[in-house]
Amino acid sequence: AQTVTQSQPEMSVQEAETVTLSCTYDTSESNYYLFWYKQPPSRQMILVIRQEAYKQQNATENRFSVNFQKAAKSFSLKISDSQLGDTAMYFCASMTSGTYKYIFGTGTRLKVLA
Amino acid sequence: SQTIHQWPATLVQPVGSPLSLECTVEGTSNPNLYWYRQAAGRGLQLLFYSVGIGQISSEVPQNLSASRPQDRQFILSSKKLLLSDSGFYLCAWSVLQGPYGYTFGSGTRLTVV
Repeated sequence: AQTVTQSQPEMSVQEAETVTLSCTYDTSESNYYLFWYKQPPSRQMILVIRQEAYKQQNATENRFSVNFQKAAKSFSLKISDSQLGDTAMYFCASMTSGTYKYIFGTGTRLKVLA
Repeated sequence: SQTIHQWPATLVQPVGSPLSLECTVEGTSNPNLYWYRQAAGRGLQLLFYSVGIGQISSEVPQNLSASRPQDRQFILSSKKLLLSDSGFYLCAWSVLQGPYGYTFGSGTRLTVV
């Protein structure tokens, strides 16, 4: 069965600094996708970034980038130039190609300090 | 543009009472629809998903049921709520499988007392 593990329940970072959130996953599938979602205090889930497993190049979206290590089954999220609005719960998720379902991690609560 | 509406935002219900949460999508046809529950300190758990009208797949045996009476309407129900049904319920939709991600509704905070 697929699993997604986020081992950091809480993290904090100073405004303008860089922070990395960890995620590991386990799957026997060869074709899958990985995602990071952000859930701010408003509770609205927002897609931050996604990565196709067959792509070796790490995905980047403005200040957000991932470090995808397929052999290690690691998918970490790096947030550069952290802003107060980045304060949120961050969820890592995986989806096997051909299925309809995400498998979510338990989340990392990130607090950006002024 | 596509939007997803979910209501109510908060709900306090007594144990044993019925439940009906509604989710509707606008601006798209034949979406895949999902109900997730987020318990305190946990990740999101998929409860139900639907790929078409009347087609419901249940992921976890429980006190809840789902229905899709119209293409863009997804309803989560219970005949008798339990304390353990408390949580944050999220509806989501996607057009296709694959790397497109879900769009989530704003969620319903359900407290069973």
